[in-house]
Amino acid sequence: NAGVMQNPRHLVRRRGQEARLRCSPMKGHSHVYWYRQLPEEGLKFMVYLQKENIIDESGMPKERFSAEFPKEGPSILRIQQVVRGDSAAYFCASSPMMRQGGTEAFFGQGTRLTVV
Amino acid sequence: GENVEQHPSTLSVQEGDSAVIKCTYSDSASNYFPWYKQELGKRPQLIIDIRSNVGEKKDQRIAVTLNKTAKHFSLHITETQPEDSAVYFCAASKQGAQKLVFGQGTRLTINP
Repeated sequence: NAGVMQNPRHLVRRRGQEARLRCSPMKGHSHVYWYRQLPEEGLKFMVYLQKENIIDESGMPKERFSAEFPKEGPSILRIQQVVRGDSAAYFCASSPMMRQGGTEAFFGQGTRLTVV
Repeated sequence: GENVEQHPSTLSVQEGDSAVIKCTYSDSASNYFPWYKQELGKRPQLIIDIRSNVGEKKDQRIAVTLNKTAKHFSLHITETQPEDSAVYFCAASKQGAQKLVFGQGTRLTINP
């Protein structure tokens, strides 16, 4: 089991460009979450997806950010027209089918986005 | 929504001593409380978790306690070793919500 796979590990974008971050969940996991971590800070929830459905996007900025988890392929977090403040580590986590009382989430290695 | 407060933000202990990190949560419906360890530049790794129907859980040198009435939970590391140095995050979630709400993190340093 390869674990949660994210790519790229590092991404440099100029202001105004688009950033695409990919996440393949662990085998057998149908739930995907994206978190953002600013330097020296904690992890902030962004969005929770199941296959072809956005379940909770309460942590997503209203503009420029979008996420999808298609029937086939990885989950994608897309940031349009990036700004310097988008520079952060973006972590994806996955979990198996929901069980009563919450469920374990396993994190990928993260994508470190730098906007120059 | 849920709010998780974590203390202290930094903690330095001598090797072999114990370390305790505390968290409080605001939403009484929260029922799942994991702890993650994050080394510099790496992913958060789940080290232990506890559910609201349990008051304490232990795994070798690591233990977690939960007080539902007071809405706080704690991580205890005994016989600390240099490799325990990392940032530790507590989190909370509730049935039906799934998302984890994290504390601000504690930077633990073990001094040899």
